[in-house]
Amino acid sequence: QITLKESGPTLVKPTQTLTLTCTFSGFSISSSGVGVGWIRQPPGKALEWLALIYWDDDKRYSPSLKNRLTINKDTSTNQVILTLANMDPGDTATYYCAHRVSYPPGFDPWGQGTLVTVSS
Amino acid sequence: DIQMTQSPSSVSASVGDRVTITCQASQGISNWLAWYQQKPGKAPKLLIYAASSLQNGVPSRFSGSGFGTDFTLTISSLQPEDFATYYCQQVNSFPITFGQGTRLEIK
Repeated sequence: QITLKESGPTLVKPTQTLTLTCTFSGFSISSSGVGVGWIRQPPGKALEWLALIYWDDDKRYSPSLKNRLTINKDTSTNQVILTLANMDPGDTATYYCAHRVSYPPGFDPWGQGTLVTVSS
Repeated sequence: DIQMTQSPSSVSASVGDRVTITCQASQGISNWLAWYQQKPGKAPKLLIYAASSLQNGVPSRFSGSGFGTDFTLTISSLQPEDFATYYCQQVNSFPITFGQGTRLEIK
């Protein structure tokens, strides 16, 4: 059974850097075709894809946030880490991590999500 | 970026009704389309991948169709647990993009 869980601060101040950790089990991110992605959802709004890291360390980012985002993986601890620099109140959202394979295409399953509020 | 446009934004229906949600891509994406269901306070759940393939464990009343730029999600006979928000997602190219969502409400 594949599970993922996000962890990190629930409140950050403007201009700070957010660091979120996705801890997963039930798969290896070293296996060919496997990836872990991050998606966020502002309160009451739609889903927005942020970043994706693959088993071979290929990294993809949302162009609109690329200058602020970094994604890395730690295969020894089964974790994927996302950092988002220069946080703004507009970054307030629930942040999800999700499992991705080459086929079937799509994210499945997702973590439960973690709400991050940006406020001074 | 490929823009994904869903319609309607919201729909009211009754248990037993047949409901269709559409998703249009701003450019051709072959069949690289997924549909998700999201209930309040919960993470999205993958329903359909590759436009028309049902994910394991998803009831057969859900179906998807389409190719290129126009796609549909159909629920053949609504059940109480189907009232949720539905999102389409293109995985043809980066950046991955989602539709704005369709909220399915009880009439």
